[in-house]
Amino acid sequence: EVQLVESGGGLVQPGGSLRLSCAASGFAFSTYSMTWVRQAPGAGLEWISYINSGSTSILYADSVRGRFTISRDNAENSLSLQMNSLRVEDTAVYYCVKSGFDYWGQGTVVTVS
Amino acid sequence: QSVLTQPPSASGTPGQSVTISCSGSSSNIGRNHVYWFQQLPGTAPKLLIYRSDQRPSGVPDRFSGSKSVTSASLAISGLRSDDEGYYFCGAWDDNLYVFGAGTKVSVL
Repeated sequence: EVQLVESGGGLVQPGGSLRLSCAASGFAFSTYSMTWVRQAPGAGLEWISYINSGSTSILYADSVRGRFTISRDNAENSLSLQMNSLRVEDTAVYYCVKSGFDYWGQGTVVTVS
Repeated sequence: QSVLTQPPSASGTPGQSVTISCSGSSSNIGRNHVYWFQQLPGTAPKLLIYRSDQRPSGVPDRFSGSKSVTSASLAISGLRSDDEGYYFCGAWDDNLYVFGAGTKVSVL
């Protein structure tokens, strides 16, 4: 069974940093690209970053480029999102998503206030 | 303002059919597949349709997707009360992925 479990969310002041993690299991993590998607309170979905299986292709949304860094550890089956210079508008539920958007984690809440 | 345009709401009575549209452009739907996601209250989004018209295993055939040029549609037939929630379309657009703002489906 595919499982994606996010962690690392919490309350942080504007300008602060957080590191989100996603523990993957139930599939060959090292062969799949991964994505982070967020959802602000009462709002729709926003794609924020993508990383391919070998970390050779990385993409960011304009809203986070230069502040967020996506990375992965295929040996540990984990995906990370380092978030710096956080803003109030980064407040959202952050989802870890498997390639093809076929599996989503339960999300971790980030509150910037 | 979302790159993909969806109606904010749609509704029907149990057993009826509902169709949700998703309008894009040549840079997204025009050259890439469309995905549809269902988000029920308090839950994470779930993939309903991939590659514009394919259903993942476990998704009932009451849900169907189609695409034509720069627009796509999600049809829900035999509407049920547990279909109430939000439905989002998504597609790649050059080097970023874009979503519609979502359509709230209500079962009257």
